[in-house]
Amino acid sequence: QSALTQPASVSGSPGQSITISCTGTSSDVGGYNYVSWYQQHPGKAPKLMIYEVSNRPSGVSNRLSGSKSGNTASLTISGLQAEDEADYYCSSYTSSTTYVFGTGTRVTVL
Amino acid sequence: QITLKESGPTLVKPTQTLTLTCNFSGFSLNTGGVAVGWIRQPPGKALEWLALIYWDADKRYSPSLKSRLTITKDTSKNQVVLTMTNMDPVDTATYYCAHKAESGYAYFDYWGQGTPVTVSS
Repeated sequence: QSALTQPASVSGSPGQSITISCTGTSSDVGGYNYVSWYQQHPGKAPKLMIYEVSNRPSGVSNRLSGSKSGNTASLTISGLQAEDEADYYCSSYTSSTTYVFGTGTRVTVL
Repeated sequence: QITLKESGPTLVKPTQTLTLTCNFSGFSLNTGGVAVGWIRQPPGKALEWLALIYWDADKRYSPSLKSRLTITKDTSKNQVVLTMTNMDPVDTATYYCAHKAESGYAYFDYWGQGTPVTVSS
């Protein structure tokens, strides 16, 4: 299985909205509503931000939202804040009953 | 409160076998659908899913690493152990264990702090 494809970096100014894409195949992203997103600050463990494409765990800001169309999932961060600067990874369940992560996206707040 | 903590050697030599232990609390690996997985991250690189063990001892492995990985659990000790054979410098990474919630859920909601492993002679 190949890693899901994400842009290496995305940037935006405070208050703006950004969107991170996560492209897979019909055997993972496109085949299941089991896409999740993780935020990782330097030196820290990943933190679950979105699960099942668009659901937010308790405590996660409603400025984050997820969606999916075909084989591509997306994470949108609205009202960008300095604390959003981090690496973001998507993940999907696969038809092989395994999991796969994305290539990761560095979000920079200008 | 769910917590997980990884432990193991910080340095292993090429060709050696790595054994990592995940000690967890706040949940039981006897609960239907629950699983514990291992994910690694080489320095400056992306997360890579390695393996998963379910409450019923069903196991899943990364296809690319399947021949080198073994995941086991000791429910009485609240431990999950990952072994990786024939270690190579490219296996240098921080290794995380993570909790997967009950059946019907396919995400990792709690993570350990990670344990760094360097492969070098």
